[in-house]
Amino acid sequence: DAKTTQPPSMDCAEGRAANLPCNHSTISGNEYVYWYRQIHSQGPQYIIHGLKNNETNEMASLIITEDRKSSTLILPHATLRDTAVYYCIVSRVEGKLIFGQGTELSVKP
Amino acid sequence: GAVVSQHPSWVICKSGTSVKIECRSLDFQATTMFWYRQFPKKSLMLMATSNEGSKATYEQGVEKDKFLINHASLTLSTLTVTSAHPEDSSFYICSAIGQGAETEAFFGQGTRLTVV
Repeated sequence: DAKTTQPPSMDCAEGRAANLPCNHSTISGNEYVYWYRQIHSQGPQYIIHGLKNNETNEMASLIITEDRKSSTLILPHATLRDTAVYYCIVSRVEGKLIFGQGTELSVKP
Repeated sequence: GAVVSQHPSWVICKSGTSVKIECRSLDFQATTMFWYRQFPKKSLMLMATSNEGSKATYEQGVEKDKFLINHASLTLSTLTVTSAHPEDSSFYICSAIGQGAETEAFFGQGTRLTVV
């Protein structure tokens, strides 16, 4: 599975959009981009995933570049409860997720 | 989303004893389950993959005789930490996926193991 690179930490003001970048330059054609988050001392929570097209659900939007070498997770109106570690993972569709270090997002009032 | 439940949420055991952790998919049939461990302020590390009715596949460096995994049904996988030592203290997390394409993995809430 392709590796991903994420900034170790980011801050975001409450109510503003949080844009979390992820680089996956070695992604192959059959690999999906998954985003999960982990709030302290809990199991990871699924957010969204995509292959080529941009995706949106009730939690977030996922923007994937045309060459698929990078993506951005957008939380449109961040709240304090969105403070967590966000993991971008590239994987084939079999559930085996290899976690990197993720981005620690701090949403501040 | 689908619900995956782990039990217990936390456990304290004495050195040399064995501890069993259960992972259940509550509202779907999990063809595959995964076990992870996580040290404080570190990322999740995949330990093994288990498919219902077959032997688990362990990641490199994970002792299969120490971490026994059983996936006896489509809704239950167990991880047994045998002859536990203090260095086995960790946060253990399971995930499960169902059948079909584009199936995302769902995670349990984790089990905090402390070996004293």
